[in-house]
Amino acid sequence: DIVMTQSPDSLAVSLDERATISCKSSQTVLDSSNNKNYLSWFQQKPGQPPRLLISWASTRESGVPDRFSGSGSGTDFTLTISSLQAADVAVYYCQQYYDIPRTFGQGTKLEIK
Amino acid sequence: EVQLVQSGGGLVQPGGSLRLSCAASGYTFSSHWMHWVRQAPGKGLMWVSYINTDGSATAYADSVKGRFTISRDNAKNTLYLQMNSLRAEDTAVYYCARTNDAWDYWGQGTLVTVSS
Repeated sequence: DIVMTQSPDSLAVSLDERATISCKSSQTVLDSSNNKNYLSWFQQKPGQPPRLLISWASTRESGVPDRFSGSGSGTDFTLTISSLQAADVAVYYCQQYYDIPRTFGQGTKLEIK
Repeated sequence: EVQLVQSGGGLVQPGGSLRLSCAASGYTFSSHWMHWVRQAPGKGLMWVSYINTDGSATAYADSVKGRFTISRDNAKNTLYLQMNSLRAEDTAVYYCARTNDAWDYWGQGTLVTVSS
């Protein structure tokens, strides 16, 4: 199984400041045949299902604010929120969809400092 | 509008059974793989099972293999999860999710509580 490890487990950032979450996979999630990274980022608020923010490591979903961006390739990935807003308080998960079983990182809890 | 509406959760005794349903609308259900995921109270997300478009291929997490069965009825646009021999550690919110490579739509979640 591909193990996904996020860091940090929790993060407190001031409003309008940058937040950065790291995600590392135990093996590559890059398909060399199409040069795509099978990596997603989700945001989950209490009592709600996860919301897809980023697919293919860096493609922002429709309706997701442009302060959210994803980067990385192979085994190392980053989610960046360029200017933290109060609405961004949530738990963030990375997930690989390269292989079965699909696996998630343990989650990063993002709070306001 | 794509919607996944879940039903079937509740309280069940250890060793009991439950069937979850996920009714899809707003898209061609038979064109997409589907997954079940669960989240124990206060914990992270854990993949449970997937099924391909026509039901000919499935897979399960080791922790539920032999106890849970995923299925779909493309004529009814509905996904199912039959859960047998339930254990306390199966207590969680269960979500269905549509796959468009990435998991772009999720059900609202349904709570399954296994307790005597």
